[in-house]
Amino acid sequence: AQSVTQLGSHVSVSEGALVLLRCNYSSSVPPYLFWYVQYPNQGLQLLLKYTSAATLVKGINGFEAEFKKSETSFHLTKPSAHMSDAAEYFCAVIYPGANSKLTFGKGITLSVRP
Amino acid sequence: DTGVSQNPRHKITKRGQNVTFRCDPISEHNRLYWYRQTLGQGPEFLTYFQNEAQLEKSRLLSDRFSAERPKGSFSTLEIQRTEQGDSAMYLCASSLVGELYGYTFGSGTRLTVV
Repeated sequence: AQSVTQLGSHVSVSEGALVLLRCNYSSSVPPYLFWYVQYPNQGLQLLLKYTSAATLVKGINGFEAEFKKSETSFHLTKPSAHMSDAAEYFCAVIYPGANSKLTFGKGITLSVRP
Repeated sequence: DTGVSQNPRHKITKRGQNVTFRCDPISEHNRLYWYRQTLGQGPEFLTYFQNEAQLEKSRLLSDRFSAERPKGSFSTLEIQRTEQGDSAMYLCASSLVGELYGYTFGSGTRLTVV
């Protein structure tokens, strides 16, 4: 079955450290890929998206992600974590023919230590 | 335009009662999606509309759930005879057909069934 996998449920980094959140998809045809952020009791905010243009995608708040077809991955990175980055992060995909229906991973909670 | 609006933000109900949630999408968006998010999980697709037509329903949407989008504007999601397992965040999103960039989520309705 087509799916998206986010390894681990919790990542903790120090303020100023590199943030790396992993996402892998399972599909023989590259899907459209998205990262969303969710703050407590809030909806989802789009961080960035890959829609078959450039493989390195830059998003809001200093985040970026690189699409690697050979690894079926779309990992999210940020060079220097800020306290305000503490939130839950979801990787999501739209598979071809899925009527623009998003399929989400389970999410990763990012904690930032002072 | 103020984005996607969901009401109420929070709803506490007794088991067995019926509840109804409302979603007002971005006015020019013709697609509207409902998702359910339980604690520690990513959002799961429930159903979607294109204009007033309900085009797809997930197997998660039992007979107790019904959704409508009269006149292709706002949408309602009703849950009859609520169960404790229905406790979740219900998210609404809207987009334009064929437009992968305009998938906008509301802040959600958090349902607690006691």
